[in-house]
Amino acid sequence: DIQMTQSPSSLSASVGDRVTITCRASQSISSYLSWYQHKPGKAPKLLIYSASSLQSGVASRFSGSGSGTDFTLTISSLQPEDFATYYCQQTYTTPRTFGHGTKVEIK
Amino acid sequence: QVQLQESGPGLVKPSETLSLTCTVSGGSISNSYWSWIRQPPGKGLDWIGFIYSTGSTSYNPSLKSRVTISLDTSKNQFSLKLSSVTAADTAVYYCARGDDYGDYAWGQGTLVTVSS
Repeated sequence: DIQMTQSPSSLSASVGDRVTITCRASQSISSYLSWYQHKPGKAPKLLIYSASSLQSGVASRFSGSGSGTDFTLTISSLQPEDFATYYCQQTYTTPRTFGHGTKVEIK
Repeated sequence: QVQLQESGPGLVKPSETLSLTCTVSGGSISNSYWSWIRQPPGKGLDWIGFIYSTGSTSYNPSLKSRVTISLDTSKNQFSLKLSSVTAADTAVYYCARGDDYGDYAWGQGTLVTVSS
């Protein structure tokens, strides 16, 4: 199985901050990397697919980059509704493994 | 706009089979991956497997001997069966629709507790 390592596991930030979350794959996954936002009691929401493509309807402050093994999710200006847990997932091969998540909390 | 809704028992006894159904509305089951993902309490997301609209399946090897995903196109539903459950299978179970690049539509999730 491909292992996905996210960092940090949690972070505290203020509204308006720029936030960066990284995800590393244990082997090359090309650009088959997606990012999800998950809030308690809600369904996960696809933010980014193919490493850098913004899912329809997602705010433009979210962006993704990377290819191969190293990927980044950036929130350019954190908003109150962005406090959540973020997961990366590789869809290069099955099983489609997730990272362990990054919890973004209010400072 | 396609919507997904999970249904099934919220309580399953140890060693029995967990059975869930996902009903798809607003569209047909075609040209997509139909997936099951779960989240145990306090833990992260865990990929269970998917069925493609042609009927081909892929399962997480960690569950492969216990899991079956099937499709009922006449009812616009797909289902999950997980046999020989233990407390470790207690989780919120999500169904989702996706493609090669990710799952873009999700159900709200249903909590299944394994307990006697």
